[in-house]
Amino acid sequence: GAVVSQHPSWVICKSGTSVKIECRSLDFQATTMFWYRQFPKQSLMLMATSNEGSKATYEQGVEKDKFLINHASLTLSTLTVTSAHPEDSSFYICSARDPTQAGGTGELFFGEGSRLTVL
Amino acid sequence: GENVEQHPSTLSVQEGDSAVIKCTYSDSASNYFPWYKQELGKGPQLIIDIRSNVGEKKDQRIAVTLNKTAKHFSLHITETQPEDSAVYFCAARRADSSYKLIFGSGTRLLVRP
Repeated sequence: GAVVSQHPSWVICKSGTSVKIECRSLDFQATTMFWYRQFPKQSLMLMATSNEGSKATYEQGVEKDKFLINHASLTLSTLTVTSAHPEDSSFYICSARDPTQAGGTGELFFGEGSRLTVL
Repeated sequence: GENVEQHPSTLSVQEGDSAVIKCTYSDSASNYFPWYKQELGKGPQLIIDIRSNVGEKKDQRIAVTLNKTAKHFSLHITETQPEDSAVYFCAARRADSSYKLIFGSGTRLLVRP
């Protein structure tokens, strides 16, 4: 299947700093990418939908000023956690939709995740 | 909005036995139901999916069944192996342009050698 790469795979930062996580579709163009957050032993919670060239759509309860999403190209979306605090520590996972697969409806491929620890 | 419930939360089986994980969804407009396997510290990997115009799909030891009337779908793993041990998530997606997946709470499967 298609490959989605996330970087960094893990990051430790100090409280109050900002952290950027990249999500790249390596062998396809992704018009839509999604960002999920996963706490230990819990499910994936959708944070936002990122569409290339337009503003991200955030799910209810997700602070758009804290979690900045940029989808500047068809192969790259970034999530920036601004002024990070210990409660932002989590596993962040992106997924990208390949519109050419699954009969045109688009199959989702997931990255390997980025573990953020805020001290 | 869509709500997906998944049971059981943990499942322990003997190697070679079958494992069944069940999910129910609330939105009758959902038409795509994938299953993902997530190993520790990794992202989810699609293992099988089914669309609402199909009642059953099989891929080697893995099968998924869908009951649209009852709004539930199940994952069946036969002849389980220790490497099947992982967390499994079901998900549902609406038939609209959002392509958003809503995940179940996950099932931690342990296959005992």
